[in-house]
Amino acid sequence: AQSVTQLGSHVSVSEGALVLLRCNYSSSVPPYLFWYVQYPNQGLQLLLKYTSAATLVKGINGFEAEFKKSETSFHLTKPSAHMSDAAEYFCAVTNPDSSYKLIFGSGTRLLVRP
Amino acid sequence: NAGVTQTPKFQVLKTGQSMTLQCAQDMNHNSMYWYRQDPGMGLRLIYYSASEGTTDKGEVPNGYNVSRLNKREFSLRLESAAPSQTSVYFCASTKGGLNYEQYFGPGTRLTVT
Repeated sequence: AQSVTQLGSHVSVSEGALVLLRCNYSSSVPPYLFWYVQYPNQGLQLLLKYTSAATLVKGINGFEAEFKKSETSFHLTKPSAHMSDAAEYFCAVTNPDSSYKLIFGSGTRLLVRP
Repeated sequence: NAGVTQTPKFQVLKTGQSMTLQCAQDMNHNSMYWYRQDPGMGLRLIYYSASEGTTDKGEVPNGYNVSRLNKREFSLRLESAAPSQTSVYFCASTKGGLNYEQYFGPGTRLTVT
C-alpha cells in the first residue's frame, strides 16, 4: 500500500528565506511523486513531478524537489521565499500497481512573513 | 479552453436532501476523479473513472454514487446528505496512460445542516 507523510502542518518563513517542505512516501514499487499547490479558494495546481527520470526535478515558480530513494523522501525547496508563495502544498504518490490513483499527504500550509 | 469546470460552487443542504455535483472537462482526458478535502486530511478519493463506461470506488465511497455520462462529464450524487458530508469537493481529470498529471477543478463547497 502507498502512503505519504508530510511533516509539519504549518511552516513559517521570512520573505527571502529558504523554503523546505518535507515529504516522505511509502510504496512497494517505484513511485511517481508530485507536489501540488493550492491557493485560497482554488483548486490544486501541479508544481512538479518525478517520473523516474532525473532525481532533481525543477518546477514552476522557482521550486524544485529531489527524489531520494534511500531516504524515501521527496522534499520541496525554494531558495528564496516570496509573499506570493503563501499557500497550502500537497505531496502525492502513485504507481502503476495502483492504477495511477493519487494518494495525497495531509498538506503543509506555508506562511511567509514580511 | 476551460479545463475542468464544476457546478455549483457553493451549496447548502439539509440532512436527507439529495443533490448532484457536476463536472466536465474539455481536454479529451480519459480518466476522471472525485475527491473530498477536509481540514488536516488532504484529499481523499471518493470514486474514479479510468475510462468512459467504467467507474470504481476510491477510499471513501460510502454515501455517494457517480455517473460517467460521456467522456467529458462525471457527476457525483449524494442520495441522502449527512452532516459528515460537509466538505469541499474537487473533480480532476487526467489523460491516462503514462501521462498521469491530474488537472483539478475549482471545487464545490458543500455544507449539510
